[in-house]
Amino acid sequence: AQSVTQPDIHITVSEGASLELRCNYSYGATPYLFWYVQSPGQGLQLLLKYFSGDTLVQGIKGFEAEFKRSQSSFNLRKPSVHWSDAAEYFCAVATPSGTYKYIFGTGTRLKVLA
Amino acid sequence: EAGVAQSPRYKIIEKRQSVAFWCNPISGHATLYWYQQILGQGPKLLIQFQNNGVVDDSQLPKDRFSAERLKGVDSTLKIQPAKLEDSAVYLCASSLDFNEQFFGPGTRLTVL
Repeated sequence: AQSVTQPDIHITVSEGASLELRCNYSYGATPYLFWYVQSPGQGLQLLLKYFSGDTLVQGIKGFEAEFKRSQSSFNLRKPSVHWSDAAEYFCAVATPSGTYKYIFGTGTRLKVLA
Repeated sequence: EAGVAQSPRYKIIEKRQSVAFWCNPISGHATLYWYQQILGQGPKLLIQFQNNGVVDDSQLPKDRFSAERLKGVDSTLKIQPAKLEDSAVYLCASSLDFNEQFFGPGTRLTVL
């Protein structure tokens, strides 16, 4: 069965520091990959997505993610974190067959220290 | 462009009561999703509609949950009767295609 693992439940970084959030998936082929951000009391907002092609994808708010097929990973990165980035981040996969079923990871809560 | 609308934003009920949530997707989006997000977990797909047909309801607890999509636009999700473990945020999302889902703000349900 397909699954998504976000190994870090909580991450704390200082403002201005770099950030990497980990995501690993289990699927027989290459799924479609997404990162979403959820601020308190808000719905989810798409940061970036990967379907094919260049394995380094750029997203909104200065985020990027790299797809590594050999590691079944799609880690999210940001070179310099801002206090407004404090939120919960979800990795998701969509299985590219039929109804494109989405599966979300359990999320990583990011805290930013001033 | 208006986003996905959901109501109510908050609901508190007693166990064994019934409750209904409403979702209005982005105009023109054929696909509509209902997710359940329990505290500390990621969203779990309950049901997916394509226009007004169900394409996936494999994780919907059909003994108590039901959903419909009227005329391929608005949708309602109902729980009857509610259990304590149904306390969660219920998210509605819509999409034009598989590229991106647009999420509403969610309805936070508390079952006492």
